[in-house]
Order: sequence, then C-alpha cells, then structure tokens
Amino acid sequence: GAVVSQHPSWVICKSGTSVKIECRSLDFQATTMFWYRQFPKQSLMLMATSNEGSKATYEQGVEKDKFLINHASLTLSTLTVTSAHPEDSSFYICSASEVRRQGYGYTFGSGTRLTVV
Amino acid sequence: QQQVKQSPQSLIVQKGGIPIINCAYENTAFDYFPWYQQFPGKGPALLIAIRPDVSEKKEGRFTISFNKSAKQFSLHIMDSQPGDSATYFCAAHVSGNTPLVFGKGTRLSVIA
Repeated sequence: GAVVSQHPSWVICKSGTSVKIECRSLDFQATTMFWYRQFPKQSLMLMATSNEGSKATYEQGVEKDKFLINHASLTLSTLTVTSAHPEDSSFYICSASEVRRQGYGYTFGSGTRLTVV
Repeated sequence: QQQVKQSPQSLIVQKGGIPIINCAYENTAFDYFPWYQQFPGKGPALLIAIRPDVSEKKEGRFTISFNKSAKQFSLHIMDSQPGDSATYFCAAHVSGNTPLVFGKGTRLSVIA
C-alpha cells in the first residue's frame, strides 16, 4: 500500500533555531501534501495545503513566514519551523493524497515530535 | 464551526465488548467517510472507510454503519482487544483534492 515516510520522528531544538521536517511518498506520486499540527489529546489541526510546484495555502491563523512549506517534487514536501519557540512544540503530521480509482486516497506520515527548549 | 461531531470523547470497554463510536455531519457534499486509528506518538492509520451509497461496510472486526438521512455514521469494533486501545478519529471529505475534516477523536481503552 501507499507509504509516506516522515523524518525525523522526534527533534529537540533550542529557541531561535530552525527545524526542517521531511515527508516523502515512497511508492506513489503525491498530488497534494497536507500538513497538520496536533496538541496532546486533541484532533489534527490543518496548517496548510501544498501542491507540487506551487505556493502552499495556509489556514487562517497559521503564520506562513514561520512555517515554511516547500513541495518541490511529487514525492517530497518539507515543513521548516523557523525561529522556533517553546510554543511551537507540538506533534506535526503530514498527509499525502493520490488519485485512486474511487477518488482520492490519503496516507499519513508517522509524525514528528518537536520540542523547543 | 465543527463540521464533524464525534462522540464519546472517551470510552472504556472490557475485552470482548463492542465499543461504538458515533459521528454526525451537516455538509451534504461530503462523499467519503474514513475512520483512522492513532496510537500515541504515531500518525493516524486508515482503518476503514465508506461512501454514502452503502449503509454498512465490514472489514475484519471493524464495521461502519452509515445513515445518510440522519447524516450520521458510526464505527463498531467487534470482540475488542487490549491492542485496540487507541484514539479513533472519524473524518469526512468533499470530492476533489481537498483536506479531510476530522472529528475530535475518541480515546478507547479496552481492559482485560
């Protein structure tokens, strides 16, 4: 089945530094990548939608200059948290969509636990 | 505005029991209703999904019941096991390359 590889699985960084999270679709071409943020015991909150070769569309309240998304190819999307602060600590998850016979299928990465100290 | 309402928030059942998780929606444009299972520290994994042209779908111990007129759908887990303890999310989707809309999740604990 479709697999999305997300790295790193966890990262600890100092305040003010930047962190890059990668998501790769291993056996399919991801038409679109979605990036989510999840706080403990809460649901997934959509941050942005990115299509290959075009600028990401950010949800209301998500700072596009802080959360830089690049989707340079049909198999790779990256989320860079710039000038990270402790309040950016969270669980970040990507999801890739592909066209299937009965519409779109969505596969999630395994998530990245970001801790900013 | 929450587009998919999920209940209960948490659920505890004994091994072998049949937990039922319910979701309701308002947007009649939704045409795909998946359920995801998430373990702590992991991404969501697709369990089972249904489209509105059928009223029930079974895959192994998991069954989705769908009531189009009531705009409700539910997940039943037959013969639940401690390994089923996880958070379950219902979701809904409008046709096209659009993001899933998630419910708030149900934390299920299956006790031996």
